[in-house]
Amino acid sequence: DAGITQSPRHKVTETGTPVTLRCHQTENHRYMYWYRQDPGHGLRLIHYSYGVKDTDKGEVSDGYSVSRSKTEDFLLTLESATSSQTSVYFCAISESGDRAPYEQYFGPGTRLTVT
Amino acid sequence: DAKTTQPTSMDCAEGRAANLPCNHSTISGNEYVYWYRQIHSQGPQYIIHGLKNNETNEMASLIITEDRKSSTLILPHATLRDTAVYYCISYGSGNTGKLIFGQGTTLQVKP
Repeated sequence: DAGITQSPRHKVTETGTPVTLRCHQTENHRYMYWYRQDPGHGLRLIHYSYGVKDTDKGEVSDGYSVSRSKTEDFLLTLESATSSQTSVYFCAISESGDRAPYEQYFGPGTRLTVT
Repeated sequence: DAKTTQPTSMDCAEGRAANLPCNHSTISGNEYVYWYRQIHSQGPQYIIHGLKNNETNEMASLIITEDRKSSTLILPHATLRDTAVYYCISYGSGNTGKLIFGQGTTLQVKP
């Protein structure tokens, strides 16, 4: 299995509080991604990174920010959590994102509940 | 919206081959077909991918039609642990990680 860890694995927080989720990889892959998964919507891309300090938005980026100061870490921040951000969050890594092969490897997920 | 269509669900007897179809009639010439699966509550797992030729690895085989408009993922000897949601995705250069996961096929392997 690819060396990807996510922390925390579970979190319950209150509306309006800031939350940071961490994704850590040991594969030295260039690309890192954050997805959320909700019933009826499948996995949707929030943000991705194509290198240190290089990030871009996905299809559901509102309310989220990211940072990548080191190759191995990709942080997802909810500045002020809302109940609509209750979801399971998956991190993924890829050796390449713009040329074959493109396969992504996913972390175990973080279950976030905003009350 | 997903660019692929798959049956919502399928059953397979343990030990038999599971054949999961996928239609991708609008696939472009530089797009690969990727298969992932997601076992309950876990992160998606990469299975296999192909462009034109049939592919086989330790997990599965991928059969792509000559016109590339459809493909079939084959799990040769399904086990109970293969029960999962299987996603077929077309993906190519320029997508920059924007995998579009549709609803996939829920495969139930039964004893």
